Amino acid sequence: TQLLEQSPQFLSIQEGENLTVYCNSSSVFSSLQWYRQEPGEGPVLLVTVVTGGEVKKLKRLTFQFGDARKDSSLHITAAQPGDTGLYLCAGCNQIIQGAQKLVFGQGTRLTINP
Amino acid sequence: DAGVIQSPRHEVTEMGQEVTLRCKPISGHDYLFWYRQTMMRGLELLIYFNNNVPIDDSGMPEDRFSAKMPNASFSTLKIQPSEPRDSAVYFCASSFTLGGGTEAFFGQGTRLTVV
Repeated sequence: TQLLEQSPQFLSIQEGENLTVYCNSSSVFSSLQWYRQEPGEGPVLLVTVVTGGEVKKLKRLTFQFGDARKDSSLHITAAQPGDTGLYLCAGCNQIIQGAQKLVFGQGTRLTINP
Repeated sequence: DAGVIQSPRHEVTEMGQEVTLRCKPISGHDYLFWYRQTMMRGLELLIYFNNNVPIDDSGMPEDRFSAKMPNASFSTLKIQPSEPRDSAVYFCASSFTLGGGTEAFFGQGTRLTVV
C-alpha cells in the first residue's frame, strides 16, 4: 500500500504569515498533485508536478516535488483568509500498462484568521 | 460540460437498507474513481475503473460494497446492507489520462448517513 503522510494535519495562523505544508511517502510516484477542498465541495486540482526537483508557482503558492519524487511541499506566502481550506496531496503511479492509480494523503486543514 | 454529477447529494437511511449512489463522469474521460471521505480516515480510494473495467477494488471495505460501470457515462456504488459505520461523504471522480499524470475532477459528493 502506498501511503502519503501530510503534516501538519491542522494549521491555524494569522493573515499575512507564511506557511509550509508537507507531503511525504516512502514510495516513488510518477507525479504528484495538490488539491484544495472547501466545505460541501469536492477537491479541486491546484497543480501537478512531474519531474523530481520541479518547482511550480501559482500566485502566492509555491509547490515543490522532491528530487527522489517521494515528497512534496506547498508554501504559501502572505496567507489570506481566502486560503482557508483542506489541502490534499495525491500521488499517481502506473499500476499496470495503461492504468494509473491516484491515492490521497489525509490532508492539512488550514485556517487563516483575519 | 457540467462536470461530474453525483446523486443524491444527501442520503439518510436506516441500518440494513440498501443504498445506491450514482455518478455520471465527464464525457470522454476514461477513468472513474470512487472515494470515501471521513474525518478519521481522510479520502480513501474504494475502487477505480479504466474504460469501464474495474482495475483495483482493494479499497472496498467488505462484500457489502459493490460498484458497477455498465457504460462510459454511468457508474453506481451500492451498499447492501448498510451500517452506521458506512456514514461518510462518497465522492466520484473522473479523469482523462494525460502524459504527465492523472488529473481527477470530482463531483460534489453524496453525504450518506446511516442511522
